Amino acid sequence: QKEVEQDPGPLSVPEGAIVSLNCTYSNSAFQYFMWYRQYSRKGPELLMYTYSSGNKEDGRFTAQVDKSSKYISLFIRDSQPSDSATYLCARGLMEYGNKLVFGAGTILRVKS
Amino acid sequence: DSGVTQTPKHLITATGQRVTLRCSPRSGDLSVYWYQQSLDQGLQFLIQYYNGEERAKGNILERFSAQQFPDLHSELNLSSLELGDSALYFCASSPRASGSTGELFFGEGSRLTVL
Repeated sequence: QKEVEQDPGPLSVPEGAIVSLNCTYSNSAFQYFMWYRQYSRKGPELLMYTYSSGNKEDGRFTAQVDKSSKYISLFIRDSQPSDSATYLCARGLMEYGNKLVFGAGTILRVKS
Repeated sequence: DSGVTQTPKHLITATGQRVTLRCSPRSGDLSVYWYQQSLDQGLQFLIQYYNGEERAKGNILERFSAQQFPDLHSELNLSSLELGDSALYFCASSPRASGSTGELFFGEGSRLTVL
């Protein structure tokens, strides 16, 4: 079983839709969680991070973590064609190194 | 632009060969990470260096090795290449070794094709 499971998609939605992207993880030791966005032919860039259970909002983006069920989500409101990218969830441990474990990524396409 | 520079951007080589990928981290960042991204495996952590020393190791094959030099740039050496080594290799950097927000700044990757 992979440490981080993520549906690869692709997920195709119309412009303006609410998008829900999800990941599950198996290692309870993970301490922080984040979402990276990767445009085609580019490196991933950090979108949001959180340490705790609950919701965190940043503009049109909301990250949700449920540690009891080992489930994390990213919601995108009023989705735009510019949101079309691959979204990678990641988990990390604040230990000696800074190893991040990524999910496989979900391809999102927002149609105008 | 993340500030992380990777060269070469594209590389085509044959099985059995050896290649070196180079990474210059963001100015001031002491940690360098190498990741491999393939269609079937996603983004896989290979290795981390902090200020010249190996700090964490992931799924790095014995045929692969890396180092970080005094000027903080890093090189990833891939030898005895196999078809399955074809992938995007990303370098990332961060200011510290651990305990940070986990934000890594990624370069644009080196695309390796092994024929």
